[in-house]
Amino acid sequence: QSALTQPPSASGSPGQSVTISCTGTSSDIGNYNYISWYQHHPGKAPKLIIYAVAKRPSGVPDRFSGSKSGSTASLTVSGLQADDEADYYCSAYVGNNNFEWVFGGGTKLTVL
Amino acid sequence: QITLKESGPTLVKSTQTLTLTCTFSGFSLSTSGVGVGWIRQPPGKALEWLAIIFWDDDKRYSPSLKSRLTVAKDTSKNQVVLTMTNMDPVDTGTYFCAHRDWISLSFDYWGLGTRVAVSS
Repeated sequence: QSALTQPPSASGSPGQSVTISCTGTSSDIGNYNYISWYQHHPGKAPKLIIYAVAKRPSGVPDRFSGSKSGSTASLTVSGLQADDEADYYCSAYVGNNNFEWVFGGGTKLTVL
Repeated sequence: QITLKESGPTLVKSTQTLTLTCTFSGFSLSTSGVGVGWIRQPPGKALEWLAIIFWDDDKRYSPSLKSRLTVAKDTSKNQVVLTMTNMDPVDTGTYFCAHRDWISLSFDYWGLGTRVAVSS
């Protein structure tokens, strides 16, 4: 299973909105709604911020939102804050006959 | 509060076997639905899912690495052990363990990761 495709970088000024895309295929994103997004500050544990395409775990601000269209999932970060500067990874669970997860290459979000 | 921590050697040689331990708290791997997975990240590259073990001792592996991986659990010690045989410099990276949420099928809690370098 190939990695999902994300842009290597994204940026925005404080208060702005940024959308990060995650492109897969009909075998992963296009076929399942088990899409997750993780925020990773280097040196810290990755943090789950979106699951099941658009749901937020408890404690994650509603500035983070997710969506999916066809084989592309998207993460939107609204009202950018300095602490949002991090690496963001998408992930899809691909069931088939074997449990398997695929991840995107990661997007470095810079808050200008 | 769920926490996980990876431990193991920081340096291994090519062809050697890597053994990593994930020590966790805040949940039990004997509880129905619980799973602990391993994910790695080579320097500057994408996250890659490696393996997962479930409460019922079911184990699943990345198809591309299946022949080299073994995952096992010690429920009494709250530990999961990952072994990877025939290490190569391309296996250099940070190795994470993570708790899998049984409803969303996502990894909702992660450890800080442990860095492993493989010398040729």
